[in-house]
Amino acid sequence: QQQVKQSPQSLIVQKGGISIINCAYENTAFDYFPWYQQFPGKGPALLIAIRPDVSEKKEGRFTISFNKSAKQFSLHIMDSQPGDSATYFCAASFGNQFYFGTGTSLTVIP
Amino acid sequence: EAQVTQNPRYLITVTGKKLTVTCSQNMNHEYMSWYRQDPGLGLRQIYYSMNVEVTDKGDVPEGYKVSRKEKRNFPLILESPSPNQTSLYFCASSLSVQGGNQPQHFGDGTRLSIL
Repeated sequence: QQQVKQSPQSLIVQKGGISIINCAYENTAFDYFPWYQQFPGKGPALLIAIRPDVSEKKEGRFTISFNKSAKQFSLHIMDSQPGDSATYFCAASFGNQFYFGTGTSLTVIP
Repeated sequence: EAQVTQNPRYLITVTGKKLTVTCSQNMNHEYMSWYRQDPGLGLRQIYYSMNVEVTDKGDVPEGYKVSRKEKRNFPLILESPSPNQTSLYFCASSLSVQGGNQPQHFGDGTRLSIL
């Protein structure tokens, strides 16, 4: 049973466009929601994270929007660049346990 | 350079032959964890450790063992590997014992193929 559901599986965006990746969860005990970026041959790297007491967090071109009542959160990448082409994973955790989404392969076309 | 180091990076072996994947971090992190990554399933947590001699099961612990005898090392042991354990494995660490609320630093992965 997938604790965190992520969509879409793949995404193609033109350079300069907005990339949006969505995640949903059921367990209201989750209290930390990070996004990780993974390039081929590398381990995931933390991109940005949010806690449920905040509805939005922005770091540069990356924004997390969090809707606690809907149990959904999303990653927005503004002004997408070819260098953003990677796989993105959302995750949720409580205590010491982590649950990841299935990943979104983002391709930004020049 | 702060890093999580996994060895080997690639391994092809046969069913039933015990193997160990090592993981070492140089950041003095308390929390360490192992994940497997499979297509269409994302990353799934196998085991985690909050400190020396303290380990606990993650989401998919069956068929795996771990130990944490030193703070920096967290090896993953497959006592009797089977083909369904063919996967890409990642070790990760974070500063605090409350690993779930801290950013995790990942190694570059170990690709295991079990024939």
